[in-house]
Amino acid sequence: QVQLVESGGGVVKPGGSLRLSCAASGFTFSNFAMHWIRQAPGKGLEWVATMSDDGNNRYYADSVKGRLFIYRDNSKNTLYLQMNSLRGDDTATYHCAGGRMPWSGYYLQDFWGRGTLVIVSS
Amino acid sequence: ETVLTQSPGTLSLSPGERATISCRASQSVANAYLAWFQHKTGQPPRLLISGTSTRATGVPDRFSGSGSGTDFTLTISNLEPEDFAVYYCQQFGGSPPVYTFGQGTKVDIK
Repeated sequence: QVQLVESGGGVVKPGGSLRLSCAASGFTFSNFAMHWIRQAPGKGLEWVATMSDDGNNRYYADSVKGRLFIYRDNSKNTLYLQMNSLRGDDTATYHCAGGRMPWSGYYLQDFWGRGTLVIVSS
Repeated sequence: ETVLTQSPGTLSLSPGERATISCRASQSVANAYLAWFQHKTGQPPRLLISGTSTRATGVPDRFSGSGSGTDFTLTISNLEPEDFAVYYCQQFGGSPPVYTFGQGTKVDIK
């Protein structure tokens, strides 16, 4: 069955870096767009970034642009989120999600992982 | 950037009742780009509806979506115990394109 498993979360100091991974299985990874969505403690869902199946399209939320970078390795069925210049408001559970492209340039979040917790604190 | 405002913030209902959740956008959203998600504590979020009204695979038909322009609605008829959760609307659009979520509506047991 479809499975997404995030890893790489932990505690990091403000200004620090972290790389999250999302291991995919149970589907043809290279055929699906992938996303990162986060949820701060006690808050709602916030979309972070999206990468198309072929890597030609990448979208970012304004709040992370220039600091967080989404990329994928289709040979390893893995999605990544490189997180630099981390701030306290980046503290959240980070979920990866995968989905179809029902319309050109638009990608759904059909299936999700359970998430990995990132805490930015001194 | 389009802001989505959901109402109410919390809905207290009994099993068997009908839940109606509103999602209002600060500017017009294309029907194709409006989705709804369900999120239960300790579980990953789940896509319920895409394209305003198309249920995702395996979603029971007591869930329905409707609307257009700036006003969208998720209706859950005949609430089941497993439906008590937080629900989010989401839109896609802009240049460069972004996804935005509403702030969420919690449906809890009365």
